[in-house]
Amino acid sequence: ILNVEQSPQSLHVQEGDSTNFTCSFPSSNFYALHWYRWETAKSPEALFVMTLNGDEKKKGRISATLNTKEGYSYLYIKGSQPEDSATYLCALLSGSARQLTFGSGTQLTVLP
Amino acid sequence: ETGVTQTPRHLVMGMTNKKSLKCEQHLGHNAMYWYKQSAKKPLELMFVYNFKEQTENNSVPSRFSPECPNSSHLFLHLHTLQPEDSALYLCASSQNRDRVDGYTFGSGTRLTVV
Repeated sequence: ILNVEQSPQSLHVQEGDSTNFTCSFPSSNFYALHWYRWETAKSPEALFVMTLNGDEKKKGRISATLNTKEGYSYLYIKGSQPEDSATYLCALLSGSARQLTFGSGTQLTVLP
Repeated sequence: ETGVTQTPRHLVMGMTNKKSLKCEQHLGHNAMYWYKQSAKKPLELMFVYNFKEQTENNSVPSRFSPECPNSSHLFLHLHTLQPEDSALYLCASSQNRDRVDGYTFGSGTRLTVV
C-alpha cells in the first residue's frame, strides 16, 4: 500500500496572501504525480500532471514543483482569492501498480 | 459539467435493495474508474476498466459489481449493502490507464445505506 501524505490538513489564509502545501510520496517506482482541485459539490479538476524530477508547472496564480528523488511536491498559490477555496489533492501514479493513489488533501479556505 | 456524468446524484437504499450507479463519458476515453470516498478518508480506487476490460479490483467486496458494456458507460451494481458502505462514489475517465494524463471526474453519487 502506497502512502501519499499531504500537509497541512487544512489552512485558512487571508485574501491576497500567498500559500503553499506539501505532498510527500515514496520515491521508488515513480511514474507521475497529479494535483487536483476539488471545490465543494463539484468534481475534482485536474491541475497538473508532473513526471520529471525538477518539473515546474504553472497555471495562472497556481504553480507546482516536483522532486522525485526525495519524494515531494509543493503546490503554491500566489495572491489567494476566495474562489481558490477548495480541497487540493495530490495523487501518485506508480510504475508498478499503475494506479492513482490519492492523499487526504489540504482544505484551503481563503477569507475575504 | 466535466464531460463525465454520474446518475443519480443522491441515493438512499435499504440493506436488502438492489440499485445501480451509472457513469457516462463521451470524451473518447478508454479507461474508466470507480473511486470511493468515505468520511475523513482519501479517495480509494475500487475498479479499473481499460478498453472495456477490468484490469483492477482492489479487494472490493462482491456486493459491489461493476459492469462496462462499452468504453463510454460504466455501472456499479449494488446489492445487500451495509451502512458502512455509505460514501461518495466517484467515476473518472482517462485516455487509457497506461498514459499519465489527468483524470476527468464526475460529480459523484452520494450513497446512504439505511
